[in-house]
Amino acid sequence: KQEVTQIPAALSVPEGENLVLNCSFTDSAIYNLQWFRQDPGKGLTSLLLIQSSQREQTSGRLNASLDKSSGRSTLYIAASQPGDSATYLCAVYLRGGYNKLIFGAGTRLAVHP
Amino acid sequence: SQTIHQWPATLVQPVGSPLSLECTVEGTSNPNLYWYRQAAGRGLQLLFYSVGIGQISSEVPQNLSASRPQDRQFILSSKKLLLSDSGFYLCALRVGKEETQYFGPGTRLLVL
Repeated sequence: KQEVTQIPAALSVPEGENLVLNCSFTDSAIYNLQWFRQDPGKGLTSLLLIQSSQREQTSGRLNASLDKSSGRSTLYIAASQPGDSATYLCAVYLRGGYNKLIFGAGTRLAVHP
Repeated sequence: SQTIHQWPATLVQPVGSPLSLECTVEGTSNPNLYWYRQAAGRGLQLLFYSVGIGQISSEVPQNLSASRPQDRQFILSSKKLLLSDSGFYLCALRVGKEETQYFGPGTRLLVL
């Protein structure tokens, strides 16, 4: 059974710091991996999708890496800003069937001025 | 591009009352549709998915049911709510063979 774990559960940092959020999964036979952002009381916004054949994706100040063999992904946020404050969710797509997503519990990030 | 609407945004219901949450989509046809629940302090859990009208698959045994009466409408229901049904309910869709899911704004349900 696939399980996704995110560390740390919560993080509070001053503005300007570079951050690393960690995600691990128990079964390396995943299809793709996706990072989402969730603001309080809101739906999910997709940040980065890493396909199974890729090792990383970049968008602006965000970089996500994927190492399927070790069952790990990291989300790197450069030069953090207060607007980055949110919960960051890691999710893996399982192979086959109906595009099933398994989510981690998330990392709650607070960036203070 | 596709849009997902969820109604209502917030709901407070007593234990034992019925439930109906609605998800409607625009801008796409024949999507795969999904219902997720996010309980306090926990990750999102897939409850139901649907590949077409009248086709519903359940992921976990529970007090809830789902229906898809129209191509772009997905409904989550319960005959009698439990305290444990409280949470944030998200509807999502997948278009064709796209490798990502798109999420709606969610419905926050509090059962008292």
